[in-house]
Amino acid sequence: DAKTTQPPSMDCAEGRAANLPCNHSTISGNEYVYWYRQIHSQGPQYIIHGLKNNETNEMASLIITEDRKSSTLILPHATLRDTAVYYCIVRFGVSSGSARQLTFGSGTQLTVLP
Amino acid sequence: DTEVTQTPKHLVMGMTNKKSLKCEQHMGHRAMYWYKQKAKKPPELMFVYSYEKLSINESVPSRFSPECPNSSLLNLHLHALQPEDSALYLCASSPPPGLAGGPYNEQFFGPGTRLTVL
Repeated sequence: DAKTTQPPSMDCAEGRAANLPCNHSTISGNEYVYWYRQIHSQGPQYIIHGLKNNETNEMASLIITEDRKSSTLILPHATLRDTAVYYCIVRFGVSSGSARQLTFGSGTQLTVLP
Repeated sequence: DTEVTQTPKHLVMGMTNKKSLKCEQHMGHRAMYWYKQKAKKPPELMFVYSYEKLSINESVPSRFSPECPNSSLLNLHLHALQPEDSALYLCASSPPPGLAGGPYNEQFFGPGTRLTVL
């Protein structure tokens, strides 16, 4: 699975958009980009994933560059409850019958400020 | 039921004790995972079970012994632990993949068991 690089920390004002970058320059064509977050002392939580196209769900948007070497997770209106460590993970999809682990990098500590 | 539960929430044990951590899910997931997380570090994989069979052991010391009695339950048996084994132990599960090669493998994590070894 490709390695990822994320800034160690970011701040964001409450109500503003939080844009979290991730570099994955060695990503291969069959690898997906996943984002998870971990609020303090809780288990990680799945946010979103994508392969090539931009994706949006009720939690966030994922923007993947055309060359797929980087991506940005966007939380459109950050709240204090979004304060967490955000992990960008690049991983192959899962073939039938198998399970694949997640390899977590250091992540970005996002602090939403009132 | 859309959650992974872990018991106990907290555990304190001595180095000579034997204890077990329990993880349960009723979402029909057929892959289950144990991760270990030290303070201020990311989670690290320990074991993966796929269809109740151990598929990955990340060179974990034998004082940690996993068990998957059925598709809903995952245990981690602990014996003769060291103080450096103190950590948050996370369990996760994931559904069977949909399309071959597709990403239908998001993992659902439990809240973890905070283990302290004295």
